[in-house]
Amino acid sequence: DQQVKQNSPSLSVQEGRISILNCDYTNSMFDYFLWYKKYPAEGPTFLISISSIKDKNEDGRFTVFLNKSAKHLSLHIVPSQPGDSAVYFCAAVNAGNNRKLIWGLGTSLAVNP
Amino acid sequence: DVKVTQSSRYLVKRTGEKVFLECVQDMDHENMFWYRQDPGLGLRLIYFSYDVKMKEKGDIPEGYSVSREKKERFSLILESASTNQTSMYLCASSLAGRSQTQYFGPGTRLLVL
Repeated sequence: DQQVKQNSPSLSVQEGRISILNCDYTNSMFDYFLWYKKYPAEGPTFLISISSIKDKNEDGRFTVFLNKSAKHLSLHIVPSQPGDSAVYFCAAVNAGNNRKLIWGLGTSLAVNP
Repeated sequence: DVKVTQSSRYLVKRTGEKVFLECVQDMDHENMFWYRQDPGLGLRLIYFSYDVKMKEKGDIPEGYSVSREKKERFSLILESASTNQTSMYLCASSLAGRSQTQYFGPGTRLLVL
């Protein structure tokens, strides 16, 4: 049973446009959410996170939005660059009780020049 | 800057061999994790450790064991390698506490023949 779902396995975007990656979760006890980026043959790298007490967190071209009532978060990349082409993983945790991250299956983003 | 290193980037072993994958982190992190990544299955947690000599099973511990004798080192052991253990193995570490941000090594691509 996937508690964290990334329903789009892949996404293709034109360079300079906005990329929107989506993530849904089912466990209302999750209170911290993270996005990771992964290039082939490399380990994932941390990108951005958000606590459940916030609804938005921004870091340069990357913004994460959290809608707790809908149990939905999204990662916006503006403007998209070819170097952003990678697999993006969403992860969630009940930070108070657990050390384990619960991972989505990932979305493969292709940014076309 | 956090650094997580893994002993090998690529490894080829034969069925039935005992395989050791080593992971070292240099940031004094309490938590360490072993994942495997397979196409379409995302990141699956094998084992994790939150202190020296402590370990907990993840989602897919069968066929694996771990050892954490020192805080900076976490070893994954395949007691008798099988072809279905061909995969990308990823080690990660994190501080104890609420942020739960995990930092990953570059991964070991294991092929079992």
